[in-house]
Amino acid sequence: DVKVTQSSRYLVKRTGEKVFLECVQDMDHENMFWYRQDPGLGLRLIYFSYDVKMKEKGDIPEGYSVSREKKERFSLILESASTNQTSMYLCASSHRESNSPLHFGNGTRLTVT
Amino acid sequence: GQNIDQPTEMTATEGAIVQINCTYQTSGFNGLFWYQQHAGEAPTFLSYNVLDGLEEKGRFSSFLSRSKGYSYLLLKELQMKDSASYLCAEDPHSSYKLIFGSGTRLLVRP
Repeated sequence: DVKVTQSSRYLVKRTGEKVFLECVQDMDHENMFWYRQDPGLGLRLIYFSYDVKMKEKGDIPEGYSVSREKKERFSLILESASTNQTSMYLCASSHRESNSPLHFGNGTRLTVT
Repeated sequence: GQNIDQPTEMTATEGAIVQINCTYQTSGFNGLFWYQQHAGEAPTFLSYNVLDGLEEKGRFSSFLSRSKGYSYLLLKELQMKDSASYLCAEDPHSSYKLIFGSGTRLLVRP
């Protein structure tokens, strides 16, 4: 079974802090994604990566950056956390083929105070 | 636009059948996904429709009509554990970015 592991389940940070969210997958997937999920807004794509060192902006990249130095690892960085970044963050991965489903991690619930 | 519309909430009774609809507006796409998400958990893959018609997988079936811009997820013999959110997602041409609907929260009552 595919396993997508997010480093933290719950995280509380202060406004202005730099925050790192880590994600690792063990199925040699080419694609990796970071989403945030908020009530009433559904899943919104922040960034995705289709290969090592490659990244593309999703729908809401402002205030975030990403890093993909190794195929199995995709990191989301909040340069200076703000309260409006309080959310559930979900990492996902998939193979490159169009019919390849996303496999999600269990999520990180981030609270910025 | 590429809007995907799903009902926000639905309620059904244990043992019954429920149909969750999803309408979309994009003219071209590879296929349509359905995911299930229990509260506090990650979404999990249910089905992927490429061709028009109904695909059955046990108690769950998914239907696609490209000409009508319409899909639905059919859940039969509902069980309490089926209470969850159900997400419809479009797999567009020439992009890895799925387009998700906001999800339908299904509550199954005894």
